Amino acid sequence: GAVVSQHPSWVICKSGTSVKIECRSLDFQATTMFWYRQFPKQSLMLMATSNEGSKATYEQGVEKDKFLINHASLTLSTLTVTSAHPEDSSFYICSARNRDVEAFFGQGTRLTVV
Amino acid sequence: GQNIDQPTEMTATEGAIVQINCTYQTSGFNGLFWYQQHAGEAPTFLSYNVLDGLEEKGRFSSFLSRSKGYSYLLLKELQMKDSASYLCAVMDSNYQLIWGAGTKLIIKP
Repeated sequence: GAVVSQHPSWVICKSGTSVKIECRSLDFQATTMFWYRQFPKQSLMLMATSNEGSKATYEQGVEKDKFLINHASLTLSTLTVTSAHPEDSSFYICSARNRDVEAFFGQGTRLTVV
Repeated sequence: GQNIDQPTEMTATEGAIVQINCTYQTSGFNGLFWYQQHAGEAPTFLSYNVLDGLEEKGRFSSFLSRSKGYSYLLLKELQMKDSASYLCAVMDSNYQLIWGAGTKLIIKP
């Protein structure tokens, strides 16, 4: 299957700082990329959907000024958690969709805000 | 509203067969996915069904009935490494994935 690389795998940051997470589709062009958040023992929660070259569409309740998404190319999307707080600690997962509507997931990023 | 239902937890014995059911009600349908997720890891793709019937892939099979809004994932010859959560997801008319809460499968020796 297609490969999606997400970096970093884990990150610890201080409260008030910003963290950038990258999601790359390595061997295909991703028309759409998705960002999810997952709390322990819970299902994936969609945060936003982004299409290359356009603004991301955020789900209800997700602050777009706090979770900045940039989808600058067909192979790269970034999620920046701005002014992170302990409640932002979570597992963040990206997925990229190819033209055949299959969605492939990155490895996930475990964010801990201290 | 949109809804995906699957059992919270199931237990099975190594070497046996287990069937995980998923029922859905969504606005439109563009396919149903099954993913496997081990604790602390991202989901990995198992199967995709868009037409009615059974898709077999090694020890795993997935079935879909669009008229009944129903799917199941069948795991044969269970191995200890199959202990994981299994997520059912439906792609709606906007090509968004609607996720079930996942079924935690526990395999006992």
